Amino acid sequence: AQSVTQPDIHITVSEGASLELRCNYSYGATPYLFWYVQSPGQGLQLLLKYFSGDTLVQGIKGFEAEFKRSQSSFNLRKPSVHWSDAAEYFCAVGAVTGNQFYFGTGTSLTVIP
Amino acid sequence: IAGITQAPTSQILAAGRRMTLRCTQDMRHNAMYWYRQDLGLGLRLIHYSNTAGTTGKGEVPDGYSVSRANTDDFPLTLASAVPSQTSVYFCASRAGHNYGYTFGSGTRLTVV
Repeated sequence: AQSVTQPDIHITVSEGASLELRCNYSYGATPYLFWYVQSPGQGLQLLLKYFSGDTLVQGIKGFEAEFKRSQSSFNLRKPSVHWSDAAEYFCAVGAVTGNQFYFGTGTSLTVIP
Repeated sequence: IAGITQAPTSQILAAGRRMTLRCTQDMRHNAMYWYRQDLGLGLRLIHYSNTAGTTGKGEVPDGYSVSRANTDDFPLTLASAVPSQTSVYFCASRAGHNYGYTFGSGTRLTVV
């Protein structure tokens, strides 16, 4: 069965500190992987995606993620967090020709000054 | 600005009433989707459409119907609303297989 697990429901970091949000997936085919960010009351915005090739992908707002096939993981990282990064983050997995992306339950990020 | 427009932004609906959530995109994307977002459950796919004139069922289709008469519009209808359909509904579109979703801003629906 296809699924995405985001083990951390909520994370608090200090502004300027590094960040890593975890994502593990279960998928029967070659996965397409995504990270989205959602600010309160807003829709989801694509941060980055992995389809193939280099397993370290760069996204918007200084985020990056690394695909590790052996660990079925696609963790999101940022070297230095800004207060404006406080939001909900969702990992998603899908297939090349699939009709559906499967989303994790999200990780809520709080940034303290 | 190109994107997805959803209407209404929010709605309180009496149980048993019929409701249509509207979704319009101006990006000429072939594929469109309806998701519901519930706390602790993430986003779950209700229905999708790969191209105008075709639709398919997602993970949680019961109680919902969709139509895709043209490329731009993808309305979601609740024939007889129930409290368990209280949720935030997101419409999304996709330019192609190598792209992620573009999401609308959502419709917050409360069924009482």
